[in-house]
Amino acid sequence: DAGVTQSPTHLIKTRGQQVTLRCSPKSGHDTVSWYQQALGQGPQFIFQYYEEEERQRGNFPDRFSGHQFPNYSSELNVNALLLGDSALYLCASSRGQGGAFFGQGTRLTVV
Amino acid sequence: AQSVTQLGSHVSVSEGALVLLRCNYSSSVPPYLFWYVQYPNQGLQLLLKYTTGATLVKGINGFEAEFKKSETSFHLTKPSAHMSDAAEYFCAVTQMNRDDKIIFGKGTRLHILP
Repeated sequence: DAGVTQSPTHLIKTRGQQVTLRCSPKSGHDTVSWYQQALGQGPQFIFQYYEEEERQRGNFPDRFSGHQFPNYSSELNVNALLLGDSALYLCASSRGQGGAFFGQGTRLTVV
Repeated sequence: AQSVTQLGSHVSVSEGALVLLRCNYSSSVPPYLFWYVQYPNQGLQLLLKYTTGATLVKGINGFEAEFKKSETSFHLTKPSAHMSDAAEYFCAVTQMNRDDKIIFGKGTRLHILP
């Protein structure tokens, strides 16, 4: 079992650009959540996908959007990147209340 | 609304000494509680979780935590610290609903002194 896998591991983008991050959930998991972890902070919930629909959303602007595919994998898209979007983006998968399993994250740097 | 407060952003203990990381939560509904560990440049690894039942929960790497409803606490302990325990630890809470979002504390950096 490969667990939760995220790609890419690192990414450097220029302010104003758009970025897409990808996540494959742990085998058997059907729910994917995305979190943003700024340096020195705890992860902040962005949104959650279940059955290809956004089920919950945190306090993030519409520049942050996502998608879930029939195989449960997911993408996080961020438009019009700001310097403040630089962070570690974590994907978590789950099924029921067993606790979420996290990927290694994608380190996004906006310059 | 739910929230988590971790007391102490940095904690230092000597190798072999007791580890105690403090966490208090606020929740208007019965909570599920978690401790996650994060090593440098890594994702989050689940250490242990409390859902229902026994209030003393044992996790991986010798860690355990006790859910105390009256004190709204879920402190993490380990009897004897090891150098490999040096990492960032996050306490987290979620509601007893299916796959609800997880609310994290700001984290406690654990330093192990030789």
